[in-house]
This record gives sequence, structure tokens and C-alpha cells, in this order.
Amino acid sequence: EVQLVESGGGLVQPGGSLRLSCAASGFSFSSYAMSWVRQAPGKGLEWVSGISGSGGSTYYADSVKGRFTISRDNSKNTLYLQMNSLRAEDTAVYYCAKHYSGRYADAFDIWGQGTMVTVSS
Amino acid sequence: EIVMTQSPATLSVSPGERATLSCRASQSVSSNLAWYQQKPGQAPRLLIYGASTRATGIPARFSGSGSGTEFTLTISSLQSEDFAVYYCQQYNNWPPDTFGQGTRLEIK
Repeated sequence: EVQLVESGGGLVQPGGSLRLSCAASGFSFSSYAMSWVRQAPGKGLEWVSGISGSGGSTYYADSVKGRFTISRDNSKNTLYLQMNSLRAEDTAVYYCAKHYSGRYADAFDIWGQGTMVTVSS
Repeated sequence: EIVMTQSPATLSVSPGERATLSCRASQSVSSNLAWYQQKPGQAPRLLIYGASTRATGIPARFSGSGSGTEFTLTISSLQSEDFAVYYCQQYNNWPPDTFGQGTRLEIK
């Protein structure tokens, strides 16, 4: 079964850091680009960051550029999102998502269940 | 950045009827458009990619059309499980991939 399982969310103070993980199974992880998408409470979907299958190319939304870092360990079939200098507006459910085909520009066909990040003092 | 605008914000339809949801891009995205369904407390589910291709396991009552800047998701005969929020997403000009603000499909 193709599956993505996120972990690492929680409550953090403004200015703090958190690292999210996304464990993949059931597909050839290194063959697919991956992204992080977040959803603030009661709001819509916002793409946050993406990474190519090899990890050699990374992309960020302007809202997180310079604060978040996406990475992947293909030997462990795991995607990461290192989040630094967190702000209240980063509070959201964070989903990892698999790109549908082998190219970067594609829809997201598999999503994790999400992990909640709350930034508050 | 391409802005995706969905209409209406909320659509009230009776079970068994047809629902038509719209998505407009601020500039052409060719056919690089996807539709997702999201139910409360769940992750989004891919319905349509390439503007008109149903994803694996998606019932035939869901269909997508359009290209360029105007897109439509049609649900031909609404079932109870179809009442949810629907998002469009463009993946033609990235980063960033951008989503519409969503259309809430509710029971009339």
C-alpha cells in the first residue's frame, strides 16, 4: 500500500524550531518529487516547499523562504521539513504529498494524514 | 505568481442533481490543473489531473474540462459522500504551485 506518514508536529513558541518528517512506503521513493502543503485552521491549502526525487533541486514559497529547509533521505524513504524562526502565522496542519509522475510539475496523488504545528506562547 | 479563483464559494445542490464548479487562472496554465476533494478532518484527495483525467479509483460521475484560464469540475449526479470542499491547483508555473480558495459543496 502506498502510504505517507507525517510526524514531528507540536506546540512551539514563536521564534522556535521544529522538524517534520514524512515516512514513505509502497513506492519507489527516490523516483518522485515531494512537497509539503499546509492548511491553517479553517483555511485553504498553501503549498510550502518541494524537492526533486534526487534532492538536488528545492523550491520554497516566499512566505517560508530563508526559514524552512526541505530535504530527503532516499536511503530511509523519508522527507523532512526543518522549520526555524517560527511565527504564529505558520500554525497549520502540514501535509506531505507525492507528485504524481516522475516529473516535478505535477499534481499530488498521495497525501499523508497531516501533522499539526501550533506556534504560540 | 498565478492566482487561482474558484466560484462559487459555496454551492448548495440536492442529491442526485448535477454540480458545476469553476476555477479561473490569472494567466494561462495550459492543461496543468488538478482538482482535489477534502472532507472534514481528512487530507485532500486527488480527483482530476491534466484538467480532465480522472485519478485512479475516481468514479466516472466526476469530470473535468477546460484549458488555458477557465476550468470546470462537474459532478453529474451527486451522492451523499460528495459533499465536501473542492480545490483546484495549477502546476504549470512554479514555484509556487497555487491553489484556489476552495468551493464548499453543501446539501440543499
